[in-house]
Amino acid sequence: EPEVTQTPSHQVTQMGQEVILRCVPISNHLYFYWYRQILGQKVEFLVSFYNNEISEKSEIFDDQFSVERPDGSNFTLKIRSTKLEDSAMYFCASTLQGGDYEQYFGPGTRLTVT
Amino acid sequence: GDSVTQMEGPVTLSEEAFLTINCTYTATGYPSLFWYVQYPGEGLQLLLKATKADDKGSNKGFEATYRKETTSFHLEKGSVQVSDSAVYFCALRIKGSYIPTFGRGTSLIVHP
Repeated sequence: EPEVTQTPSHQVTQMGQEVILRCVPISNHLYFYWYRQILGQKVEFLVSFYNNEISEKSEIFDDQFSVERPDGSNFTLKIRSTKLEDSAMYFCASTLQGGDYEQYFGPGTRLTVT
Repeated sequence: GDSVTQMEGPVTLSEEAFLTINCTYTATGYPSLFWYVQYPGEGLQLLLKATKADDKGSNKGFEATYRKETTSFHLEKGSVQVSDSAVYFCALRIKGSYIPTFGRGTSLIVHP
């Protein structure tokens, strides 16, 4: 069964450093998403991406964040200058189309900022 | 705003015990309700859903009924197995939006 994959599974970085989290969505999917979950808190929506542009973003997704689909398979989330409060689990998801289609989630990348 | 509240975990049960994980919601519109499950090392998977009041979603022995009067969508299973050990997320999605609002997740640990 096709699945969403994410790398790395765990990333440790120092405050102020740039990190790139990588996701490979399901190959024929068209809509891509990033979510995060700070330990003990809710899973929060960050951004959705379609047709090579951001279609929706939350208040969390400020200028420190960016997303990119650099080639036909990868979907990346970049944090330019990490802060301690960016420590969280980051989930990528994809869906075939928008609307009521089920989102398929990756296993997540745990980001630890020290 | 829209929100989901679910019981804190971990919930620890013996195999074959009855499971209830409580979930209540607050929504401005008329939401669809979901339960997702995350097994260790895997992504969130849709477990079941209900789109209108009194609907019952069911899958893999799990059930949840959409209760509009109590704004609840409690997850139940009559007899849990060790393989059910996972984190369970309750979520809602308002009509017209494709972004779910999640709860914090409840960890379930089932002992043999």
